[in-house]
Amino acid sequence: TVLTQSPATLSLSPGERATLSCRASHNIGSHLVWYQQKSGQPPRLLIYDASNRATGIPGRFSGSGSGTDFTLTISSLEPEDSAVYYCQQRRNWPYTFGQGTNLEIK
Amino acid sequence: EDQLLESGGGLVQPGGSLRLSCAASGFNFSNYVMGWVRQAPEKGLEWVSIISGGGGSMYYVDSVKGRFTISRDNSKNTLYLQMNSLRAEDTAIYYCAKGRNFGVVIIWGQGTVVTVSS
Repeated sequence: TVLTQSPATLSLSPGERATLSCRASHNIGSHLVWYQQKSGQPPRLLIYDASNRATGIPGRFSGSGSGTDFTLTISSLEPEDSAVYYCQQRRNWPYTFGQGTNLEIK
Repeated sequence: EDQLLESGGGLVQPGGSLRLSCAASGFNFSNYVMGWVRQAPEKGLEWVSIISGGGGSMYYVDSVKGRFTISRDNSKNTLYLQMNSLRAEDTAIYYCAKGRNFGVVIIWGQGTVVTVSS
């Protein structure tokens, strides 16, 4: 299953709302995961099964969608949200990642 | 605190072998799905292999089938990845991953670097 993320790059200011998209080539139900990866670090789990926030993740992060279209929303950006965000499907092996969205905080 | 510590990476010639290890601590290792995810330089993420808690189910991405073997020793709280017939395209950071269930990584190791080059 191919995941296509858009946009590739996003540049926003603190306090703004970020909307990141992930589209799957096949229906994956709700089996969609979001990760955040900061430079030089391993990824961190944000959202699993499309809309469930992982432990310790701030409430400004939310996920939605099902089937083939999914969205990660960051409601009010903080400077520390600067990172690459990846979606990943776990509906079928091999689990696959999108190519990432690079979020820059101005 | 849950921790994963990878080791075994390094520089190897094409066709060579490496064995990666991942020492786990802070949780009941045998209760969790474990896996390896890699990231080529300046590239995205790729699942390499995954293994069930008891070790009875294993899956591999097509590009490593027949060359890589995932295993675990629950008595030693350690995950392994035996990598044979290495190719240049296997060059990457290899992350050890603890799964909430199949496909949801809740804890990542810091990664070990594998470089395949002559």
